[in-house]
Amino acid sequence: QKEVEQNSGPLSVPEGAIASLNCTYSDRGSQSFFWYRQYSGKSPELIMFIYSNGDKEDGRFTAQLNKASQYVSLLIRDSQPSDSATYLCAVNIYDYKLSFGAGTTVTVRA
Amino acid sequence: EAQVTQNPRYLITVTGKKLTVTCSQNMNHEYMSWYRQDPGLGLRQIYYSMNVEVTDKGDVPEGYKVSRKEKRNFPLILESPSPNQTSLYFCASSLVGDSNQPQHFGDGTRLSIL
Repeated sequence: QKEVEQNSGPLSVPEGAIASLNCTYSDRGSQSFFWYRQYSGKSPELIMFIYSNGDKEDGRFTAQLNKASQYVSLLIRDSQPSDSATYLCAVNIYDYKLSFGAGTTVTVRA
Repeated sequence: EAQVTQNPRYLITVTGKKLTVTCSQNMNHEYMSWYRQDPGLGLRQIYYSMNVEVTDKGDVPEGYKVSRKEKRNFPLILESPSPNQTSLYFCASSLVGDSNQPQHFGDGTRLSIL
């Protein structure tokens, strides 16, 4: 079983809709969870991090964490064409080691 | 400007010819790491360093070497490159303090080994 798994894409949503991305992880001891956005040919950039159960909102982005079920999700509200990218879920496994999912590619249709 | 700088950005070379990819950060970060990114596999960690002279293997260290003689620099060395090391490589750095510290990534180095 992979340490971090993301729902396979690609995910296509119309402009203005909500994009929902899911991520599950295997290590119950994981404490910190990150969402990175990566445009084609570019480096990953941090969007959100979350470490407490529940929701965390930042602008149009909401991260949700459920440690009991071992999943973390990212919602993108009012999706814009500029949100078209690959979204990487990363989980802090131990110390400062991050384990990344394979990514979900999102396309926002104008 | 706070940044992680990798060089070169692109390199095409041949099997067996030693190469070094440099990584430098100006944020006084203790932690530095190298990843490779391949289609469908996401980012996989090659080596990481918690501080000067402290390095450790990641998930895919075979065929790579690193050193950390200075805090700001963390070069990746391919002593005898092979075609299966063709990939997109990223260097990243972060503070050490708590596990919530995000990693900052360089712009990437695309290596092609023929």
